[in-house]
Amino acid sequence: NAGVMQNPRHLVRRRGQEARLRCSPMKGHSHVYWYRQLPEEGLKFMVYLQKENIIDESGMPKERFSAEFPKEGPSILRIQQVVRGDSAAYFCASSPQGTNQPQHFGDGTRLSIL
Amino acid sequence: RKEVEQDPGPFNVPEGATVAFNCTYSNSASQSFFWYRQDCRKEPKLLMSVYSSGNEDGRFTAQLNRASQYISLLIRDSKLSDSATYLCVVNGGNFNKFYFGSGTKLNVKP
Repeated sequence: NAGVMQNPRHLVRRRGQEARLRCSPMKGHSHVYWYRQLPEEGLKFMVYLQKENIIDESGMPKERFSAEFPKEGPSILRIQQVVRGDSAAYFCASSPQGTNQPQHFGDGTRLSIL
Repeated sequence: RKEVEQDPGPFNVPEGATVAFNCTYSNSASQSFFWYRQDCRKEPKLLMSVYSSGNEDGRFTAQLNRASQYISLLIRDSKLSDSATYLCVVNGGNFNKFYFGSGTKLNVKP
């Protein structure tokens, strides 16, 4: 009974490169959420997706960041032309249909920008 | 005004103490409520859902007050292993959007 799977666990990129973070939701879950957490700070909502649809991207930076959740395969958070300030832990969570169901989180991807 | 507000703490308590956290939410249409626990550099983990009638899980008791729009978490007989950040989470209602509080840090001392 696999939980939310995120990979890679750790990702190192140089400034200007692209970072791709992947998230496979729990089986039966159709909603995916991405959060960012800086050291010693709280979780910041980024984007909420269902299959092939972005439901709410109010927390996404206007430039360089994008997310998708295709019909087949994992959800992808893509950061183009990374900068030092993108260094953070990125957590993915999933939930099933229905508003009374909690989210379950993956282990996160720690992104470090050199 | 933030959707969910929590006292950031830290709460420093001795082992065996009873400690309570409160959390307020702004959307009266919110339908579901949860407490999560986050250890340093780890992912948040679901501690318990919060039901209208209140619910208990071992040393942990959660209460919901819809009229005043707050939820609470009570931890009895604190253990060193309870040291963590406790996150209050509210589901927004219409869509499956979750609102997280900034967390309350608990330090249980020997």
